[in-house]
Amino acid sequence: AQSVTQPDIHITVSEGASLELRCNYSYGATPYLFWYVQSPGQGLQLLLKYFSGDTLVQGIKGFEAEFKRSQSSFNLRKPSVHWSDAAEYFCAVVDSGNTPLVFGKGTRLSVIA
Amino acid sequence: DAGVIQSPRHEVTEMGQEVTLRCKPISGHNSLFWYRQTMMRGLELLIYFNNNVPIDDSGMPEDRFSAKMPNASFSTLKIQPSEPRDSAVYFCASSLAAGGPLADTQYFGPGTRLTVL
Repeated sequence: AQSVTQPDIHITVSEGASLELRCNYSYGATPYLFWYVQSPGQGLQLLLKYFSGDTLVQGIKGFEAEFKRSQSSFNLRKPSVHWSDAAEYFCAVVDSGNTPLVFGKGTRLSVIA
Repeated sequence: DAGVIQSPRHEVTEMGQEVTLRCKPISGHNSLFWYRQTMMRGLELLIYFNNNVPIDDSGMPEDRFSAKMPNASFSTLKIQPSEPRDSAVYFCASSLAAGGPLADTQYFGPGTRLTVL
């Protein structure tokens, strides 16, 4: 069964600094990969997804993620973080079978001035 | 598009009472998911439906939990009797398909915050 690991439980960055959130998956074939964001008191919202093709995926709010098969990773990046980016970020994977998304435990992002 | 609608947004009840959470998925979506989120356990998939049929309920914690989807536009999650450890935020999500080649974005509702005293 596929699984997702987000090694960082909590990350703090300064406003304007760059950001990279790590995600590693465990699955034999090419998975479908997602990043979701959850703002305080809200449901999850899709940031971006990768199914195939270009391994660098652009998402909403200036986020991007890169699929690296050799490292089984799908890290989320943003060149300049804004205070409004403070939230919980979830990586998720689904395989080619008829099974639903498997979510990672999430990484909480704090942004300081 | 109204998105996924959940009600109530907040529920406070006493231990032993029955609790019913409601969800209206996005029109045209064939899959519906119920999740529970707590600080300790994170986001857990409880059950999901395809075309109103329950496919996998292995995440339902125990027999006190039950879920139904009588039609394509409505689902309920019931806890009877409720216990303090059931306190959590419960999310409903819907998508065009559950997974596989038709895997698609899951759209989440705002959640129901349940407190069992």
